[in-house]
Amino acid sequence: LAKTTQPISMDSYEGQEVNITCSHNNIATNDYITWYQQFPSQGPRFIIQGYKTKVTNEVASLFIPADRKSSTLSLPRVSLSDTAVYYCLVGDLLGGSYIPTFGRGTSLIVHP
Amino acid sequence: SAVISQKPSRDICQRGTSLTIQCQVDSQVTMMFWYRQQPGQSLTLIATANQGSEATYESGFVIDKFPISRPNLTFSTLTVSNMSPEDSSIYLCSVLPLDSGKTDTQYFGPGTRLTVL
Repeated sequence: LAKTTQPISMDSYEGQEVNITCSHNNIATNDYITWYQQFPSQGPRFIIQGYKTKVTNEVASLFIPADRKSSTLSLPRVSLSDTAVYYCLVGDLLGGSYIPTFGRGTSLIVHP
Repeated sequence: SAVISQKPSRDICQRGTSLTIQCQVDSQVTMMFWYRQQPGQSLTLIATANQGSEATYESGFVIDKFPISRPNLTFSTLTVSNMSPEDSSIYLCSVLPLDSGKTDTQYFGPGTRLTVL
């Protein structure tokens, strides 16, 4: 199983860009990289997913270098409501038995 | 997308008793998962609920303690049996929609907060 490593916590201020990096050194060829956001007392919510290079949606961007051993979630111009825990997962959904494994996550606190 | 509801939303139980948590989805889904999340911790996968067959349990979780049912493509239950205070946690179900393809786009329920006295 591909194991992920993220910073435990990060602090930022409103309006800043936040970049959270996840390391996944033993990612397999067919694995995708997925990021989730979790607010207190709620289940995680899908943010973005990618395989290589760059992916962007209305919420965030995901940067994946060529070796795919890490990925960076970029949140542009964060607000207080972006305070949450962010998890990255790697896995191959169609590669037989899929076991979604959440790492420790990164607790992001956005200050006024 | 998929909308997931869980019942109960929370419960306080006595040790030695059992609680069954229900997970209902508003559309047919391929995979359903059950997780446990202790306060301030990450999510730990308990098992994958398989439609029409026995659930697939992760290391450290056994069927006798956490029996799971999945009678159809929209519903599953998780039972926490013979509870002890160590079972106090939030239990979450998640689903992968039929059209998710090869992408991990899980949708999570709101969770069930269980306290065992």
